[in-house]
Amino acid sequence: AQSVSQHNHHVILSEAASLELGCNYSYGGTVNLFWYVQYPGQHLQLLLKYFSGDPLVKGIKGFEAEFIKSKFSFNLRKPSVQWSDTAEYFCAVAGTGNQFYFGTGTSLTVIP
Amino acid sequence: DARVTQTPRHKVTEMGQEVTMRCQPILGHNTVFWYRQTMMQGLELLAYFRNRAPLDDSGMPKDRFSAEMPDATLATLKIQPSEPRDSAVYFCASGLSPDGTGFSGNTIYFGEGSWLTVV
Repeated sequence: AQSVSQHNHHVILSEAASLELGCNYSYGGTVNLFWYVQYPGQHLQLLLKYFSGDPLVKGIKGFEAEFIKSKFSFNLRKPSVQWSDTAEYFCAVAGTGNQFYFGTGTSLTVIP
Repeated sequence: DARVTQTPRHKVTEMGQEVTMRCQPILGHNTVFWYRQTMMQGLELLAYFRNRAPLDDSGMPKDRFSAEMPDATLATLKIQPSEPRDSAVYFCASGLSPDGTGFSGNTIYFGEGSWLTVV
């Protein structure tokens, strides 16, 4: 079965610090990879996704993620976080089935 | 602007009552998911459908939960009888899986959730 691991459960950063959130998945076939963000009290929204092509994908609000196939990873990065980035971040994987697999989420708190 | 619509947005009910949550997927999407989110358990998949057929409901307590898609524009999640431990946010999400072999890069979109409190 496919699975998604997010190793950082809670991350606290000061504004302007750099961010990297880890995501590893287990699946041997072709994968689509996603990062979703959930702001406090809101629903999940797509941040960025990888389907094919350039393994470095750029999303909204200055976020980017790099797909490293050999490491089964899709880490999320942002060079300089803002207070408004405080949210829960979910990594997700979709394979060749009909299922979306979500990680357990990483809570990010940015201190002004 | 296409979106997944969920009703009710908020529901407070007494233990033992029946609760029905509704979801209208984005027009043209053929896959619908029901998720439950709590502080303790995080995001849990309850059930999902493709072309209205239930594909997996193993995440759902069978004795009290049921999920259906009466038609392509409506998915329902019912709890009967409800219990305090069912208090959570229930999210519906929809997406397009073109041929049943994956989403081909398509995204799934979430509704704003139904916030359920059972007292």
